[in-house]
Amino acid sequence: DQQVKQNSPSLSVQEGRISILNCDYTNSMFDYFLWYKKYPAEGPTFLISISSIKDKNEDGRFTVFLNKSAKHLSLHIVPSQPGDSAVYFCAASGLPYKYIFGTGTRLKVLA
Amino acid sequence: DTEVTQTPKHLVMGMTNKKSLKCEQHMGHRAMYWYKQKAKKPPELMFVYSYEKLSINESVPSRFSPECPNSSLLNLHLHALQPEDSALYLCASSQRGGVQPQHFGDGTRLSIL
Repeated sequence: DQQVKQNSPSLSVQEGRISILNCDYTNSMFDYFLWYKKYPAEGPTFLISISSIKDKNEDGRFTVFLNKSAKHLSLHIVPSQPGDSAVYFCAASGLPYKYIFGTGTRLKVLA
Repeated sequence: DTEVTQTPKHLVMGMTNKKSLKCEQHMGHRAMYWYKQKAKKPPELMFVYSYEKLSINESVPSRFSPECPNSSLLNLHLHALQPEDSALYLCASSQRGGVQPQHFGDGTRLSIL
């Protein structure tokens, strides 16, 4: 039973355009959400997070949106760059220390 | 450069061997984690140490034995593993538990023959 789902296994976007990565969750107890980026042969790197008391958080080119009623969050990358090509994982937490990861979306930014 | 260092990067072992994975961080983080990741799957939490004490064991088989000798080091002792244990083992740390981003190492790729 996958509590955190990323339904798009892959996404291709033209350089300079917006990348939108989506994540759905089922557990209403989750109150903290994170996005990680993973390059091949490296561990995941933290990108941005959002608490359930907010609906938007921005950090440079990265913005995370949270829709609690829909149990949905999204990561927007604007403008997309070739270096953004990686696998992106969303993660959710409702208990201390416990993070549940989604299955990942492979983003390819085309030059 | 990752601030969480894992050694070795690759490990091949037989089912009767005993080996250990090592993880080190010098960021002053007080929570450390072991995850297992199979191909095309998300990382799955195995263990959490908080202030050098085991806080979470996600019903991991006893052939995996974690150890936290001090606040900077985390080991995972392996014994009598099965072929299905072949995976990428990731270590992570965070400033403390709760809602803190985790910093991951690059992982140890483990193959069981």
